[in-house]
Amino acid sequence: GEDVEQSLFLSVREGDSSVINCTYTDSSSTYLYWYKQEPGAGLQLLTYIFSNMDMKQDQRLTVLLNKKDKHLSLRIADTQTGDSAIYFCAENTGNQFYFGTGTSLTVIP
Amino acid sequence: NAGVTQTPKFQVLKTGQSMTLQCAQDMNHNSMYWYRQDPGMGLRLIYYSASEGTTDKGEVPNGYNVSRLNKREFSLRLESAAPSQTSVYFCASSPTGDNSPLHFGNGTRLTVT
Repeated sequence: GEDVEQSLFLSVREGDSSVINCTYTDSSSTYLYWYKQEPGAGLQLLTYIFSNMDMKQDQRLTVLLNKKDKHLSLRIADTQTGDSAIYFCAENTGNQFYFGTGTSLTVIP
Repeated sequence: NAGVTQTPKFQVLKTGQSMTLQCAQDMNHNSMYWYRQDPGMGLRLIYYSASEGTTDKGEVPNGYNVSRLNKREFSLRLESAAPSQTSVYFCASSPTGDNSPLHFGNGTRLTVT
């Protein structure tokens, strides 16, 4: 559970969709999470998915989980400038969370 | 409803100085955590407390100590600060340690010169 990987940067135009990808390592993780960090702030929970689900939709957010490939993605529809932030995926193995390095999303007006 | 409160927000120390970072939560959560965030490395767990009265080491505990003072408060102490401890420190809490999402404070930005 210690090598959760994400690409570091993503730029999209306002109104387009953003897709942020993550690979995790522990197939026993029960929940997988997406957090958002705005400048100067802590991490806020955006959404999470239970490991027996393939997809979860929550308004503009869609989470896809491919358990076979240990791949998680977060799609943000109609991306807005307020979505500019760092996005972290995280897995929970027992009592510990492991976070990815974070993907810095820049939305270009 | 404050959630997780960390103090101070910013701190500058000289090498060898000591300090304690404070964290308190008002959500009646059992588990509390200290993370550090460094560029390109995500968040790394320093120590955690699964419940009042217990503490355990995380991934990077060297140079730190913790105290779970009561259910609400979990402090992080640097006895002899080093430049490698320059980082942003986040406290988090969760209802239980088992799969419950973490709730984060706004962080303490520490610089050690």
